[in-house]
Amino acid sequence: KAGVTQTPRYLIKTRGQQVTLSCSPISGHRSVSWYQQTPGQGLQFLFEYFSETQRNKGNFPGRFSGRQFSNSRSEMNVSTLELGDSALYLCASSNLAGEQFFGPGTRLTVL
Amino acid sequence: QKEVEQNSGPLSVPEGAIASLNCTYSDRVSQSFFWYRQYSGKSPELIMSIYSNGDKEDGRFTAQLNKASQYVSLLIRDSQPSDSATYLCAVPSDSGGGADGLTFGKGTHLIIQP
Repeated sequence: KAGVTQTPRYLIKTRGQQVTLSCSPISGHRSVSWYQQTPGQGLQFLFEYFSETQRNKGNFPGRFSGRQFSNSRSEMNVSTLELGDSALYLCASSNLAGEQFFGPGTRLTVL
Repeated sequence: QKEVEQNSGPLSVPEGAIASLNCTYSDRVSQSFFWYRQYSGKSPELIMSIYSNGDKEDGRFTAQLNKASQYVSLLIRDSQPSDSATYLCAVPSDSGGGADGLTFGKGTHLIIQP
C-alpha cells in the first residue's frame, strides 16, 4: 500500500507571497491532518479534515487554511507569508484506530 | 490545552542496553497514546500505539501506560546504533472522541553508543 505523499517537497517563497501544499493520504484513509514542525516549537497541529469537513483546528492565525476534496486529497494554503512560517509542513492520514501516518513533508523556506 | 512533557536529552545508551524513554501528559481523559521515531531530516514514523493500562510489546519495543499517573514510557531492548533518533510522544488533542489532531511532546534525542 502506498504511503502518504506530499508535493512539493521543497519550496522557497518571499515574504508576502502565498503558498499551496498538497497531500494525498493512504488509500482508504478519510482523515487528513496537517502539522507544522520547527526547531523551536516542535510539531504543532494545524487542522484536521474528514469527508471534506474541517473537524478540528489548532492555534494558528487565519492565514493558514485548508480544504479536502471528495477523493480525500487535501491542500493547505498559507497567505501573506512571514519569515516565521519557514518550517517543515507535514501531512498525516489516519486509520480507524486513530493512528496517524506521516508523509515526507514539504520544506518551506520564506526569504 | 493539553501538554505532553518529555525530557529533551540527549539520552546516551550503550549498544545492547535498554533505552528507557518517558512521557507525561496533562489530560486525565486521554485514551490513546502514540510513540513516533524521527530520524534527522525525515518525517515521524509511528512505532507504537497503546490504549489501555499495562504493557504492550512489539519486537524490541515495549510501551508502558499508567493512566492514573498520566505516564507513558517506551523501552527499547538490545539497543542498536540504528535506534539513534528523536522519539516523540503524542496524545489526541481532542478528548471528545471525534476528530483528533495530535499533541506532541518536544521529543527525546536518543543516542546509542557503539
